[in-house]
Amino acid sequence: EIVMTQSPATLSVSPGERATLSCGASQSVSSNLAWYQQKPGQAPRLLIYGASTRATGIPARFSGSGSGTEFTLTISSLQSEDFAVYYCQQYNNWPCSFGQGTTLDIK
Amino acid sequence: EVQLVESGGGLVQPGRSLRLSCTASGFTFGDYAMSWFRQAPGKGLEWVSFIRSKAFGGTTEYAASVKGRFTISRDDSKSIAYLQMNSLKTEDTAVYYCTRVVGWLPDIWGQGTMVTVSS
Repeated sequence: EIVMTQSPATLSVSPGERATLSCGASQSVSSNLAWYQQKPGQAPRLLIYGASTRATGIPARFSGSGSGTEFTLTISSLQSEDFAVYYCQQYNNWPCSFGQGTTLDIK
Repeated sequence: EVQLVESGGGLVQPGRSLRLSCTASGFTFGDYAMSWFRQAPGKGLEWVSFIRSKAFGGTTEYAASVKGRFTISRDDSKSIAYLQMNSLKTEDTAVYYCTRVVGWLPDIWGQGTMVTVSS
């Protein structure tokens, strides 16, 4: 199974600032990498797939980059509704696997 | 609107069984693979099971932690996916999510149903 590692575990950022979240894979997953946002009591919401393609309805302030083993999610200007837990997931090899999550909280 | 709605969760004693249902709407259910994931309280996301569409044989896959105890199935005429959970353990306690799968990507998630295994 491919192990996904996210950093940092917690990121404190002020509204309006930029946030950068990282995700690493134990072996190459090509561009088969997704990012999800999860708020308390809610299901995960797909933000990015194919490492860099925004899902339907996702604002342009969310962007993804990377390929192979290193990936980044950037939120260009944080809004209040963006404070949540973010998970990366590889779906190159089944079973798919998730990182442990990054909690983005208000500074 | 594309939607998945899970049901069937609840409190159950260790060793007992429970069947979860996932009712789909807004898309042609039979054209898609479906999967179940779970999230234990305060923990991350874990894949549980997967079923291909009939066009790809309707075959199934299971995580090692549930293999031999859980069974995934589908009724395309009703647009429902099921997860039959037998011999439940306390470590199966989690919110269970149903997802649609497109090219190995879980793109649509239900709201989840809570399963608590406790005596």
